[in-house]
Amino acid sequence: QKEVEQNSGPLSVPEGAIASLNCTYSDRGSQSFFWYRQYSGKSPELIMFIYSNGDKEDGRFTAQLNKASQYVSLLIRDSQPSDSATYLCAVKDTGGFKTIFGAGTRLFVKA
Amino acid sequence: EPEVTQTPSHQVTQMGQEVILRCVPISNHLYFYWYRQILGQKVEFLVSFYNNEISEKSEIFDDQFSVERPDGSNFTLKIRSTKLEDSAMYFCASCSGESGTDTQYFGPGTRLTVL
Repeated sequence: QKEVEQNSGPLSVPEGAIASLNCTYSDRGSQSFFWYRQYSGKSPELIMFIYSNGDKEDGRFTAQLNKASQYVSLLIRDSQPSDSATYLCAVKDTGGFKTIFGAGTRLFVKA
Repeated sequence: EPEVTQTPSHQVTQMGQEVILRCVPISNHLYFYWYRQILGQKVEFLVSFYNNEISEKSEIFDDQFSVERPDGSNFTLKIRSTKLEDSAMYFCASCSGESGTDTQYFGPGTRLTVL
């Protein structure tokens, strides 16, 4: 059973701080990794995707991938109260078509 | 910006009744998916659809479920005889299928409540 693991949190950070969200995955052959944001009662909203080892930056967000350690992270700089949500790590299944989701980390940004 | 749309936003039904959830994927996308999320739980894969046929399905997607692309735009999920445990958010997603990308974009979801 392929798994994606995340700390459920909640993670609480003050406004303006850096939030660091982590994820590990079980399938060593995985190639495609995604971070989605989900507000309560809403659908997952894509924040970033990353395919290569290293860092990928997009505005206040940086995704980091280490395939040797089977580890993906998301950094949110200058966190805002509007960033308060559940962040879902997702990994494309190498053997098929589906995307496997972690349970998500709840982030609270305190004003 | 193109979006995946879903209707209805909320569906209430009696146990044993049939429901059809509708989705309009992004127009040039080739891969279509249904996921569900029971309240407080993970997003779970149900089925993927490509070239007018099911490409993969999960254990959840039993004989009570079916999918169809009746025309060039709609993608539907039918549950033949709903159970209480089918109550969940159902998300449709689509992917362009272009080389080098397999990002799935999600619709707003349909909240299914089975009484």
